[in-house]
Amino acid sequence: AQTVTQSQPEMSVQEAETVTLSCTYDTSENNYYLFWYKQPPSRQMILVIRQEAYKQQNATENRFSVNFQKAAKSFSLKISDSQLGDTAMYFCALLRNQGGSEKLVFGKGMKLTVNP
Amino acid sequence: DAGITQSPRHKVTETGTPVTLRCHQTENHRYMYWYRQDPGHGLRLIHYSYGVKDTDKGEVSDGYSVSRSKTEDFLLTLESATSSQTSVYFCATYPGQGGIYEQYFGPGTRLTVT
Repeated sequence: AQTVTQSQPEMSVQEAETVTLSCTYDTSENNYYLFWYKQPPSRQMILVIRQEAYKQQNATENRFSVNFQKAAKSFSLKISDSQLGDTAMYFCALLRNQGGSEKLVFGKGMKLTVNP
Repeated sequence: DAGITQSPRHKVTETGTPVTLRCHQTENHRYMYWYRQDPGHGLRLIHYSYGVKDTDKGEVSDGYSVSRSKTEDFLLTLESATSSQTSVYFCATYPGQGGIYEQYFGPGTRLTVT
């Protein structure tokens, strides 16, 4: 079975600072994808960043970057220069890439508050 | 953004009544999913579809059924709603081809069962 664990239910950070959100996962697959989704108060699920397991290089998207440690099954998200608009729930998710059963497994989420 | 709509967006219903939520997509994606979101649980998969008339259960499927008669529509039915089914329901789609490994989400439906 695949599981995703986000151990920090809530965090806060000052505007312009850097914050790291942690995520660990468990899977027996060798071919999979990891995601961070953001859910602002509007409730819309927004993809922040994606990492392919076969790639050693960590993904980056502007102020967002990940630290992907495949052996440790760890996938943390770093947000640099935090902005008020980053206030949201953040979900880590795992997608197994196997024909016929492409299902996402989510962590329980973490509430991030960016303070002015 | 993928064209995914959900209807209704909000619904209040009474215990024991049937409820159907609709998800409509304009992207011709092969896979469609229904999730529920509850505090402390993240998103949990209810049912999913991997093609027209092809569906399978997720981790929290009890009390729910689904149907997919055409590519663009995926219906979630609560045959007899219970208070434990009060939740926010999300539909998602996934291309399943073209090297795009990302699920796209609808705006969500807030369902309250009284």
